[in-house]
Amino acid sequence: GESVGLHLPTLSVQEGDNSIINCAYSNSASDYFIWYKQESGKGPQFIIDIRSNMDKRQGQRVTVLLNKTVKHLSLQIAATQPGDSAVYFCAENNAGNMLTFGGGTRLMVKP
Amino acid sequence: DAGVIQSPRHEVTEMGQEVTLRCKPISGHNSLFWYRQTMMRGLELLIYFNNNVPIDDSGMPEDRFSAKMPNASFSTLKIQPSEPRDSAVYFCASSPGTLVQAKNIQYFGAGTRLSVL
Repeated sequence: GESVGLHLPTLSVQEGDNSIINCAYSNSASDYFIWYKQESGKGPQFIIDIRSNMDKRQGQRVTVLLNKTVKHLSLQIAATQPGDSAVYFCAENNAGNMLTFGGGTRLMVKP
Repeated sequence: DAGVIQSPRHEVTEMGQEVTLRCKPISGHNSLFWYRQTMMRGLELLIYFNNNVPIDDSGMPEDRFSAKMPNASFSTLKIQPSEPRDSAVYFCASSPGTLVQAKNIQYFGAGTRLSVL
């Protein structure tokens, strides 16, 4: 029979454009959030984090926005480059040192 | 800093055989995590250690899976006997686990791709 796998949402953007990747988290008690990038054949890599007492945090070319009212997190990548092509995961921390990961979004950058 | 080191990178074995995956966390990190990643279920937490003690193993699929952390610099994940449905990429991650700032960033190894035939 046909196997059913995770259908990763895919975002396709033109090189140089800005990318916005969205994530809905589940637990209103979560107080810390992280975005990870996973390239093919590699483990997830930390990109940026944000605490629940903030609604925005900026890094190099990346910005994370947090809307606690609707439990929504977004990752904005400025001037997207081919090297940004990867799967992006959001993760929330709500218990001890454990993280709960989202399903991921695949970003494809067209040259 | 060498990061989290996992071995082997690839493992191919036959159904019924014992498989042992190894992990060396980042020096000084107090917490260690084992994950499994598949197309079907995404990234799943299997077990989590803090200061070498297993804290949460609710994600371990069944008794065929076991994990140990004999010291702060080494952990193993064992599957005995292995089955084809165990085929996946297994990741180890470590985090500082400091309570002061609750810095829970997990740093991942490159993973072990396991194929059980």
